[in-house]
Amino acid sequence: AQSVTQLDSQVPVFEEAPVELRCNYSSSVSVYLFWYVQYPNQGLQLLLKYLSGSTLVKGINGFEAEFNKSQTSFHLRKPLVHISDTAEYFCAVTDTGGFKTIFGAGTRLFVKA
Amino acid sequence: DSGVTQTPKHLITATGQRVTLRCSPRSGDLSVYWYQQSLDQGLQFLIQYYNGEERAKGNILERFSAQQFPDLHSELNLSSLELGDSALYFCASSVGREGLGDTQYFGPGTRLTVL
Repeated sequence: AQSVTQLDSQVPVFEEAPVELRCNYSSSVSVYLFWYVQYPNQGLQLLLKYLSGSTLVKGINGFEAEFNKSQTSFHLRKPLVHISDTAEYFCAVTDTGGFKTIFGAGTRLFVKA
Repeated sequence: DSGVTQTPKHLITATGQRVTLRCSPRSGDLSVYWYQQSLDQGLQFLIQYYNGEERAKGNILERFSAQQFPDLHSELNLSSLELGDSALYFCASSVGREGLGDTQYFGPGTRLTVL
């Protein structure tokens, strides 16, 4: 069985400050890991994904995430956020066979001026 | 614009009714995925089709069914609708048959309201 926990439901942060959105997972099988962003009234957009290889993954819009197998975490970071980063962010886990995917409950990032 | 289109954008119907949601994937994509997003249950994967065949199944109710046609568009049929089926339904598409590990491109969604 798989589960995903996004540890913060809301993260307020000031513009040009760093941010970290936390994601922990549990799974009895090998997994792929994803972060998606959802802007208001829009569908999801893939920010980045970890399939294998380097544990530091760089994505779009200046985001990056680090896969930590021992801590079963995949936290998302950005060194400098902008007002336009205000959105909901979802962490997701998929078994490597590609047959099942689970999403976290989402973290709402609110960037203040 | 992801290149994935969904119709209709909004749908309002009554309990017990049946509706069909339609999705056209990006040009060249062979896989189509359906997701449900609701306040109660969050984002849930429903089902995936690859080149006309069902490839992966998630938390899809027996009252729901889907298919992918030869032109690769897909339809999600929801029947015997209940109030709890009110949600945003997303379609996504991807190039290949790696399944849920593929990079998926999401459509704008269909908002279903069941009264």
